[in-house]
Amino acid sequence: KQEVTQIPAALSVPEGENLVLNCSFTDSAIYNLQWFRQDPGKGLTSLLLIQSSQREQTSGRLNASLDKSSGRSTLYIAASQPGDSATYLCAVPHAGKSTFGDGTTLTVKP
Amino acid sequence: GAGVSQTPSNKVTEKGKYVELRCDPISGHTALYWYRQSLGQGPEFLIYFQGTGAADDSGLPNDRFFAVRPEGSVSTLKIQRTERGDSAVYLCASSLENVITGELFFGEGSRLTVL
Repeated sequence: KQEVTQIPAALSVPEGENLVLNCSFTDSAIYNLQWFRQDPGKGLTSLLLIQSSQREQTSGRLNASLDKSSGRSTLYIAASQPGDSATYLCAVPHAGKSTFGDGTTLTVKP
Repeated sequence: GAGVSQTPSNKVTEKGKYVELRCDPISGHTALYWYRQSLGQGPEFLIYFQGTGAADDSGLPNDRFFAVRPEGSVSTLKIQRTERGDSAVYLCASSLENVITGELFFGEGSRLTVL
């Protein structure tokens, strides 16, 4: 059974800081890994999808890395802004469906 | 449609009542997923459709929960004899083929409150 863990559960940083969110998974036989953002009371918005053959994927100030052998992915956010405040979740496909972590809730203080 | 659409956005019902939640996936997406999310937790898998058939319903908690996708597009999640523990946000997602090859896209969710 695939298990996904995200640490820390919550993170608070001042505006402008660079930060890293972590995602670990127990079964390294994955095809891809997807990062999502969720605002309070909203659905999940896809941020980045990394295929298993890739090591990194970038979109604007976001950079996601994937290390299958160690069962880890990181989401790097550069020059954080108050608008980045949200919960960030990672998801890993396994046996036809995606398994999610419980997310990291990020607060960026102005 | 442009995105995954879910209705209703909010549903308040009384214990013991029957509830239907609807999901309209992105046009052309063959895979459709239902998840349930409780406060402070990640989405929990319920059921996955590939076309019209349920490819995996292992996440449905009990036989009060049922889902259909009769024409391979719109799906309805049905909950009978609702209990207070069913209160959660029910999320629907779709993917072009499946999550092995493609990206997962979510709707805004249906918040169910059972009084």
